[in-house]
Amino acid sequence: GDSVTQMEGPVTLSEEAFLTINCTYTATGYPSLFWYVQYPGEGLQLLLKATKADDKGSNKGFEATYRKETTSFHLEKGSVQVSDSAVYFCALRPNQAGTALIFGKGTTLSVSS
Amino acid sequence: ETGVTQTPRHLVMGMTNKKSLKCEQHLGHNAMYWYKQSAKKPLELMFVYNFKEQTENNSVPSRFSPECPNSSHLFLHLHTLQPEDSALYLCASSQEVTYEQYFGPGTRLTVT
Repeated sequence: GDSVTQMEGPVTLSEEAFLTINCTYTATGYPSLFWYVQYPGEGLQLLLKATKADDKGSNKGFEATYRKETTSFHLEKGSVQVSDSAVYFCALRPNQAGTALIFGKGTTLSVSS
Repeated sequence: ETGVTQTPRHLVMGMTNKKSLKCEQHLGHNAMYWYKQSAKKPLELMFVYNFKEQTENNSVPSRFSPECPNSSHLFLHLHTLQPEDSALYLCASSQEVTYEQYFGPGTRLTVT
């Protein structure tokens, strides 16, 4: 069945460092892909999305490109801030009708000043 | 109120208590979800409702009983819980079941 695999965390970076969080997927067809972020003590928030191959989703300085050839949707940010410390979830929208989003296990990012 | 709201935000209950969690969405969505988020574990989808009908129950113990009286409200009734049920319970909604989801802030449940 469809699945999402994220890199294991935690990821620990200094402020202004470059961030990459890897996400790969297994799915039939061309699913929509999402990144969600969960700040401490809060629920998940949609960060960005891409609905077809080669689309680039972007928001708040974060970007991710839908790569069909590598079945990947890696999250990147050029210069992280302490306020970016959170858990990041990759998710896909399966093609099977009536099936909920499938989430990865989440990657914890900790940014220090 | 906008988005998805959950009450209470924190709950402490004994193993013999009965309590309910409430979720309300103000987005006009048709699908609602309950998730369990435990420390160091993946997000667990518990229940899915689409147009008030339950469409998914992921082998959740019967001590958790969901109720969806209309497309805007979702409840999770709790009784005779175990300490391992302590977790963050998240509610979410979406336009349709396969669409992107919008989450509430969660209820932090502690079972003593």
